[in-house]
Amino acid sequence: DTGVSQDPRHKITKRGQNVTFRCDPISEHNRLYWYRQTLGQGPEFLTYFQNEAQLEKSRLLSDRFSAERPKGSFSTLEIQRTEQGDSAMYLCASTPGVGEQYFGPGTRLTVT
Amino acid sequence: QKEVEQNSGPLSVPEGAIASLNCTYSDRGSQSFFWYRQYSGKSPELIMFIYSNGDKEDGRFTAQLNKASQYVSLLIRDSQPSDSATYLCAVPNAGNMLTFGGGTRLMVKP
Repeated sequence: DTGVSQDPRHKITKRGQNVTFRCDPISEHNRLYWYRQTLGQGPEFLTYFQNEAQLEKSRLLSDRFSAERPKGSFSTLEIQRTEQGDSAMYLCASTPGVGEQYFGPGTRLTVT
Repeated sequence: QKEVEQNSGPLSVPEGAIASLNCTYSDRGSQSFFWYRQYSGKSPELIMFIYSNGDKEDGRFTAQLNKASQYVSLLIRDSQPSDSATYLCAVPNAGNMLTFGGGTRLMVKP
């Protein structure tokens, strides 16, 4: 257990529905990252926050995706109008600054 | 765009042998390198990081970095069946966002 928690751990949804995931980083870590991982691939960067500021978004992050980190604590990742291609493991990682990142257990999304 | 390449495997080694996992990267300016272990259905777990040329040892694990040749290796001594997992190499860019290789699946046979 790295101290990073994610909720829910599994989500099954129907195509077209909206879903929201939550990540609670290690408390003293000011940077929080979201990644997405599909079967047989390494994780791919989606977006990251330093405190409450969203500093970078990948081109993988379409307009249907939005992320927030109010007050620089927990973060949420919302996917609107889900598509089957959104099925993946969504991973959150935190770090105190630069350097090693510690991952949460992930949220596995299945879009039917 | 940084690229990180790994042989997907599977790499099969007998119990007690040394497993050698390799990773090459495209950005000559990369300064730090991370190895993560990922069991099936689980999230990546950090096992080693290395910043300087040469070797870094931690228990049964040794990370080796050769910046001139742009490769980083992970050696696992006395491999155990519990080491069977996918090993991911990751390189951070300017914002510390990690670029991962596709991972190498290691199988340690009793």
